[in-house]
Amino acid sequence: AQSVTQPDIHITVSEGASLELRCNYSYGATPYLFWYVQSPGQGLQLLLKYFSGDTLVQGIKGFEAEFKRSQSSFNLRKPSVHWSDAAEYFCAVGAPRAGNMLTFGGGTRLMVKP
Amino acid sequence: DADVTQTPRNRITKTGKRIMLECSQTKGHDRMYWYRQDPGLGLRLIYYSFDVKDINKGEISDGYSVSRQAQAKFSLSLESAIPNQTALYFCATSDPTQQGNEQFFGPGTRLTVL
Repeated sequence: AQSVTQPDIHITVSEGASLELRCNYSYGATPYLFWYVQSPGQGLQLLLKYFSGDTLVQGIKGFEAEFKRSQSSFNLRKPSVHWSDAAEYFCAVGAPRAGNMLTFGGGTRLMVKP
Repeated sequence: DADVTQTPRNRITKTGKRIMLECSQTKGHDRMYWYRQDPGLGLRLIYYSFDVKDINKGEISDGYSVSRQAQAKFSLSLESAIPNQTALYFCATSDPTQQGNEQFFGPGTRLTVL
């Protein structure tokens, strides 16, 4: 079965600083990979996804993520964080061999300092 | 109008009470899911349904039951609520014909069991 680890439970960055949220997965083949964001009081919104092809994927709100097969990672990045990016971020892996069911990481809560 | 709606958005109840959470979707998706979110644990799958006649247990189904009344409706019941079922509950839908089986989430129901 697949699994996902987000090593950082909380991260605090200053507004305008760069951001990297870590995601490591375990799966025996190439998975489908997703990053979702949950703003306070809101549901989950998809930021970006990777299925195949170019390992650097662009998403909404200026986010990008890079799939690194050798490291089993799919880290989320943003060059300059805005106060409105404060939220909880979830990495998820889908298993093509298991009906594409999603497994979620524990989440990383991002706080942005003015 | 939102594609995936959940009612109620907030509910406080007492131990032993029966509770039903409802989910409706206008996306025309066959697959529907119920998750619960707990701090640090991410989202965990309770039940999922691939179509009206196909319902499956997820990772943490004990204490829960579901009903798929129609393609658009999927309800989650707690027959006798207990305090450790206090959590944020999400409904999601997906179209398995789309690559990656991306899931679309409702706004969540915050349930408190006293």
